[in-house]
Amino acid sequence: EAGVAQSPRYKIIEKRQSVAFWCNPISGHATLYWYQQILGQGPKLLIQFQNNGVVDDSQLPKDRFSAERLKGVDSTLKIQPAKLEDSAVYLCASSPPRAWETQYFGPGTRLLVL
Amino acid sequence: SQKIEQNSEALNIQEGKTATLTCNYTNYSPAYLQWYRQDPGRGPVFLLLIRENEKEKRKERLKVTFDTTLKQSLFHITASQPADSATYLCALDKNTGFQKLVFGTGTRLLVSP
Repeated sequence: EAGVAQSPRYKIIEKRQSVAFWCNPISGHATLYWYQQILGQGPKLLIQFQNNGVVDDSQLPKDRFSAERLKGVDSTLKIQPAKLEDSAVYLCASSPPRAWETQYFGPGTRLLVL
Repeated sequence: SQKIEQNSEALNIQEGKTATLTCNYTNYSPAYLQWYRQDPGRGPVFLLLIRENEKEKRKERLKVTFDTTLKQSLFHITASQPADSATYLCALDKNTGFQKLVFGTGTRLLVSP
């Protein structure tokens, strides 16, 4: 079974630029999560999707971050404009419908904002 | 305020010994708690889940305990090996409906040969 795929793996941008991350969850996983992990900290949930609907986006900085999950499969997370403090690893995870308590994480996208 | 605390200092142990990692939390009432392993440059990998009505869970060399009175979970790796060296994250369910995990900062484990 293929794991959660993310791209790109690394991205370097200047502040005020835009950036987008892509996630392809494990086939059949209805729940998809985006996390932000700052160096030395644990992952922090940004947004949770159930199929293509948003379940929780309470910690998503909506003035600059947006996410979508069209057709309930792939998802993109966008930052526009980026700030220095957005430098972090962005992790995507998914959960299967009958074992929804377990999350399977992708390798993450490491973002550096200069 | 709500907190999840893991020892931020790295834990150094000798191969063959038992590693014990601690996760304490305040102002949460989780339905379950999980432990994940994270290697550098990789996403977390699920290891074990323990529910609020369970005291102990085992999987091969891993053992997790959960004390809801003390608001603490202990994670043990017996007969530790250098390959066990990684960061271990505890995560608890916010118990608000759909699974929403809150992660601790993780503890780095270093197992020396």
